[in-house]
Amino acid sequence: AAGVIQSPRHLIKEKRETATLKCYPIPRHDTVYWYQQGPGQDPQFLISFYEKMQSDKGSIPDRFSAQQFSDYHSELNMSSLELGDSALYFCASSQWRGRARNEQFFGPGTRLTVL
Amino acid sequence: TQLLEQSPQFLSIQEGENLTVYCNSSSVFSSLQWYRQEPGEGPVLLVTVVTGGEVKKLKRLTFQFGDARKDSSLHITAAQPGDTGLYLCAGDTGNQFYFGTGTSLTVIP
Repeated sequence: AAGVIQSPRHLIKEKRETATLKCYPIPRHDTVYWYQQGPGQDPQFLISFYEKMQSDKGSIPDRFSAQQFSDYHSELNMSSLELGDSALYFCASSQWRGRARNEQFFGPGTRLTVL
Repeated sequence: TQLLEQSPQFLSIQEGENLTVYCNSSSVFSSLQWYRQEPGEGPVLLVTVVTGGEVKKLKRLTFQFGDARKDSSLHITAAQPGDTGLYLCAGDTGNQFYFGTGTSLTVIP
């Protein structure tokens, strides 16, 4: 079965640079979520999109932005990178059914290292 | 403060032993998921529970959702080294999805 695809899997950037992470949800999934996971921590919710519109916002810094495109893939744009942004970034997708969210399926993650 | 608290945070047991991981909150969830995560990989969904009091079994894993839909437990019978990993509960309040604090399980052969 098709899973969530994330690219790149690894990314190394310098401080103050920008980075773009991409997420391709499972086919027919209409909702995408972004999470940040630091070493030894649980995933922290950043932002989510449903049908190309932002649906929820978590602890996403103002330096970050994201969007969902017409083909439902999503991109997380990160600017003015800081050392503390080094983490695993996960994308998850789900299929919204009525008023209830379906379970989320996670991608393999992008490991971002800021030097 | 964390909306979902898991206990224990770390657990190291011998192969063949049984264990229970708890996921507790003061909030009510419309659904609750359990995930297992390997280092450097994405969380893999194990189960979703949606009804208060629901019990689901997945081979040697038994998941229970509390009657009030505020807590859940994961019981593993006869643990195996392959069960080693980080176990995360995650709850949907209807507005947002929250992860628990995680339980790192090590099963020693």
